[in-house]
Amino acid sequence: GENVEQHPSTLSVQEGDSAVIKCTYSDSASNYFPWYKQELGKGPQLIIDIRSNVGEKKDQRIAVTLNKTAKHFSLHITETQPEDSAVYFCAANQAGTALIFGKGTTLSVSS
Amino acid sequence: DGGITQSPKYLFRKEGQNVTLSCEQNLNHDAMYWYRQDPGQGLRLIYYSQIVNDFQKGDIAEGYSVSREKKESFPLTVTSAQKNPTAFYLCASSIDTGGSYNSPLHFGNGTRLTVT
Repeated sequence: GENVEQHPSTLSVQEGDSAVIKCTYSDSASNYFPWYKQELGKGPQLIIDIRSNVGEKKDQRIAVTLNKTAKHFSLHITETQPEDSAVYFCAANQAGTALIFGKGTTLSVSS
Repeated sequence: DGGITQSPKYLFRKEGQNVTLSCEQNLNHDAMYWYRQDPGQGLRLIYYSQIVNDFQKGDIAEGYSVSREKKESFPLTVTSAQKNPTAFYLCASSIDTGGSYNSPLHFGNGTRLTVT
């Protein structure tokens, strides 16, 4: 089955800096790669996703890149703000199977 | 507003008792899921269901049971056979047309279960 590795487990940046979180997956058949943000005491919320026919997707300060050959994808947050502080999860799956999540990255943005 | 409701937010039980966690959605989504979250472990899949009266085991189904009698509801029972039941449980749903499971998940706000 699919296995998703996520790094780093914790990340601390200064407000205004960029943050990058990386994930690798094991199943070359995986074709859907979402990213979720979880605030304390709440359920995760989708922030951006990418499918295997696209190499990069951007939404304001957030971007995701996908390298299918290397089986890794990354989340990029530019101009970080204190409200970006949260736990971020990557996930992957192929058609017909449920999403498998990474172990999460705790991002802290200090002002 | 449409969404997923998990209740209660906090649940306490004695060891050896079965307990059922509620999950209801009014998004008209086909698929529903249960994940377990432990510190440093991410989200691990317990069970998922695409249609009424059908469900599949996830990676950590042992000690858990589910039912899907209605499209809107997917309750999870934590049985006494689950060795480490204390955790944060998250329910989710997705449109999932055609059983692809390639649609975004919508999560509830979770139930924190403590078993002593």
